[in-house]
Amino acid sequence: DIQMTQSPSSLSASVGDRVTITCRASQGITNYLAWYQQKPGKVPKLLIYAASTLQSGVPSRFSGSGSGTDFTLTISSLQPEDVATYYCQKYNSAPRTFGQGTKVEIK
Amino acid sequence: EVQLLESGGGLVQPGGSLRLSCAASGFSFSSYAMTWVRQAPGKGLEWVSTFSGGGGSTYYADSVKGRVTISRDNSKNTLYLQMNSLRAEDTAVYYCAKERGLERGALNYWGQGTLVTVSS
Repeated sequence: DIQMTQSPSSLSASVGDRVTITCRASQGITNYLAWYQQKPGKVPKLLIYAASTLQSGVPSRFSGSGSGTDFTLTISSLQPEDVATYYCQKYNSAPRTFGQGTKVEIK
Repeated sequence: EVQLLESGGGLVQPGGSLRLSCAASGFSFSSYAMTWVRQAPGKGLEWVSTFSGGGGSTYYADSVKGRVTISRDNSKNTLYLQMNSLRAEDTAVYYCAKERGLERGALNYWGQGTLVTVSS
C-alpha cells in the first residue's frame, strides 16, 4: 500500500507568515491528492483537490501544488482562523490513505 | 443543500455489532461514491471504506476488512456500515462523506459524525 507522510507534524507561526506543509506519497499518485482542514471540535473541510484546485468558497491564501509523489499546501498569509490540523489524502485507489496530520498554531 | 446525517452509533461491548446509517439529501445520491472515515479520540483521520457510485465496487481498510460491510440503498439515499466483531480500537467518531466523483474523488461533503464506543 502507498503510504502518505506529512511534515512537519506541527508548526507554530506568526499571523501573516507564509506556511508550507508537505505531503509525500511512497509511490506516484499523479494528482489524486486532496487537502483537508479540521478545526478543533469540528468536521473536516475540503480545501484543495486534484493537488492544486481550490474548493469553492476556500480563501485564496490557500494553495496546493505538486504531482507524482511530492505535494505542498501553502497558506500565503496565516490568519488566526487558520488554527487547525491539516490532512492530505490520496484518492487514486484504495486504500484512500490520509497523512498523519499537521497541527498549525499561532505563535 | 447537501446534507449527510449519520446515526446508529453508541456503546457496544467488545465482540458486538452495530449498523451505522447515513441519510443523504440535496444531491443525486446514486451518482457519487460514498465513504466512511473514522477518527479515534485525539487521533487523526482514518479512511475506513468506500462504495462506488457506478458498478458498485467496495473497498475496505485492512484494519476493518472481514469485520465490516459497506452497503447503500440508492432508493432510500442511504449509506450503511455494518460493523461486527467490534474491538476497543474501533472506538471513534465515524463520518460519512460524499466523494466528488462517481468512482473516486476528494471528500467534498461530510456529516457531523456518530460516536462508536467499544467497551465492557
